[in-house]
Amino acid sequence: EDKVVQSPLSLVVHEGDTVTLNCSYEVTNFRSLLWYKQEKKAPTFLFMLTSSGIEKKSGRLSSILDKKELFSILNITATQTGDSAVYLCAASGGSNYKLTFGKGTLLTVNP
Amino acid sequence: GAVVSQHPSRVICKSGTSVKIECRSLDFQATTMFWYRQFPKQSLMLMATSNEGSKATYEQGVEKDKFLINHASLTLSTLTVTSAHPEDSSFYICSARDGVYRGYTFGSGTRLTVV
Repeated sequence: EDKVVQSPLSLVVHEGDTVTLNCSYEVTNFRSLLWYKQEKKAPTFLFMLTSSGIEKKSGRLSSILDKKELFSILNITATQTGDSAVYLCAASGGSNYKLTFGKGTLLTVNP
Repeated sequence: GAVVSQHPSRVICKSGTSVKIECRSLDFQATTMFWYRQFPKQSLMLMATSNEGSKATYEQGVEKDKFLINHASLTLSTLTVTSAHPEDSSFYICSARDGVYRGYTFGSGTRLTVV
């Protein structure tokens, strides 16, 4: 059975801190690893990673994939209160490219 | 960028009635549509995967007669919750995969409350 495990499940930090969110996966016919940010409604896309070792960056966020260790991390530097959200990791695989989601990491950034 | 329009955003229905949720891809062809449900403070659970013009593939434990999925065109997929019960109350989200650019785009979700 396909599985995605995220850690930690929740995290509380102060503004300005740097955080690292972890995601490990076991997915048949793995295609890509995706990160999403979910606030009140549907998830918003952050990154899609298909190649190992290549860091993707978007402002203060960055992510990297290790296909040998079946692992990905999402880094957020200089956190802001607006970064407070649930961060979801999902692995795409199978014949239909379906996404299997982890349980998410609830990040709370306090002022 | 790619947009998926999902509606209604919120629906309240009586127990025993059916509810239809629509997802439309507005500027791309959705070769595959995924339907998820999400309970409060939990992650997205895949319910079914549908490819245009063929029957949906349901995940284990999801009743296909209760959650009817139709993907009749490359831009429209519907999920019908039949004979809804209070335990079907949840947040339902669709996600469309663009076969060309291979990205996934989510709809804005539907909050279903069955009373």
